[in-house]
Amino acid sequence: DTAVSQTPKYLVTQMGNDKSIKCEQNLGHDTMYWYKQDSKKFLKIMFSYNNKELIINETVPNRFSPKSPDKAHLNLHINSLELGDSAVYFCASSPGEGGGTDTQYFGPGTRLTVL
Amino acid sequence: SQELEQSPQSLIVQEGKNLTINCTSSKTLYGLYWYKQKYGEGLIFLMMLQKGGEEKSHEKITAKLDEKKQQSSLHITASQPSHAGIYLCGADNTGTASKLTFGTGTRLQVTL
Repeated sequence: DTAVSQTPKYLVTQMGNDKSIKCEQNLGHDTMYWYKQDSKKFLKIMFSYNNKELIINETVPNRFSPKSPDKAHLNLHINSLELGDSAVYFCASSPGEGGGTDTQYFGPGTRLTVL
Repeated sequence: SQELEQSPQSLIVQEGKNLTINCTSSKTLYGLYWYKQKYGEGLIFLMMLQKGGEEKSHEKITAKLDEKKQQSSLHITASQPSHAGIYLCGADNTGTASKLTFGTGTRLQVTL
């Protein structure tokens, strides 16, 4: 059984479109994250939610809006897509509120290509 | 400069050889996480180090943490083609582990 799953795995879209990426975890974890990995493989956190509440919001354009309908899901909606949004987006989850021994488990990633 | 530096950036080793990857943080380390990423796949958690001097092993992979130097090393013994991939270290610089800073990764190729 997949622990952290993301859909879709690949997403190709035109500039200016609005798209969503879904993430689900069946680990019973309280905290979920979104990361962006750019073309140089640099992985950077975007958002973090704990029990449906936003706890980390890095410097990310307002076009990106995370939504957590319940603690097992954290979706990422992107408005007015730009070329620079092309990247691999990873979802992750961790058991607790982010204590010193919390371990994050990652999904398989969604490769977004904006044309 | 990056907050978390990994070296080398890429590595090609012959099967059976040993290798070491280093990860150095410019900030205080409260925890250090090692992940492996295969091409087109997600990150697989390898191990987490928290205490200075801590050393953990999993199969042929050993990781150590030098808290004073704010540095961790990942050592692979008798490398195999299955070890190929990108190794990423993630640092907890806040003590909460909720916000990890990642290094740029080390791409490992293992030749026959």
